[in-house]
Amino acid sequence: GAGVSQSPSNKVTEKGKDVELRCDPISGHTALYWYRQRLGQGLEFLIYFQGNSAPDKSGLPSDRFSAERTGESVSTLTIQRTQQEDSAVYLCASSLWGTPNTDTQYFGPGTRLTVL
Amino acid sequence: RKEVEQDPGPFNVPEGATVAFNCTYSNSASQSFFWYRQDCRKEPKLLMSVYSSGNEDGRFTAQLNRASQYISLLIRDSKLSDSATYLCGLYSSASKIIFGSGTRLSIRP
Repeated sequence: GAGVSQSPSNKVTEKGKDVELRCDPISGHTALYWYRQRLGQGLEFLIYFQGNSAPDKSGLPSDRFSAERTGESVSTLTIQRTQQEDSAVYLCASSLWGTPNTDTQYFGPGTRLTVL
Repeated sequence: RKEVEQDPGPFNVPEGATVAFNCTYSNSASQSFFWYRQDCRKEPKLLMSVYSSGNEDGRFTAQLNRASQYISLLIRDSKLSDSATYLCGLYSSASKIIFGSGTRLSIRP
């Protein structure tokens, strides 16, 4: 079956521009996560969506970052006025229920963002 | 102290060797732990979940030591294809997984 997909796979932008990254979770998965991974670093949690609940935005690094999710489907991560330190791979993951003790997160291939 | 810490490595071992590395965590309330494998420029993929004392899958064994707050990953009879970065993760709160920075493993012929 189809896994998590993300687009674009690569994005090069100029400092100060806005970018929008897209994530299509596995069909039927109610939970969706965004992570950031800088070169040679681990995964940094950004935001979590679960069904119709209010998203957990505790990992968003600044107010330039925002994310939306339409129902239990597509999510978009928007970065406004991009800075060079935003350069990273942005990974999306989804899981069936978002329940800690039984769930598994499946990751998409990521979007590699380069801010010049 | 970081919530999840890993030795970055690299661990460089010969094919066929046994290798183990640890992941320490600071939140004693954590219940669910994970080992993910990440190949270069690829997304992480789940290797093993650990919900109790440990888990074993073929050549891979994960052990949880709650008293000392660490989980370990042991790889027996290592293969060239085991070369990757191994990420440790745990559920921090609600449904948020916190990951370590990863341990790089390189298996040489």
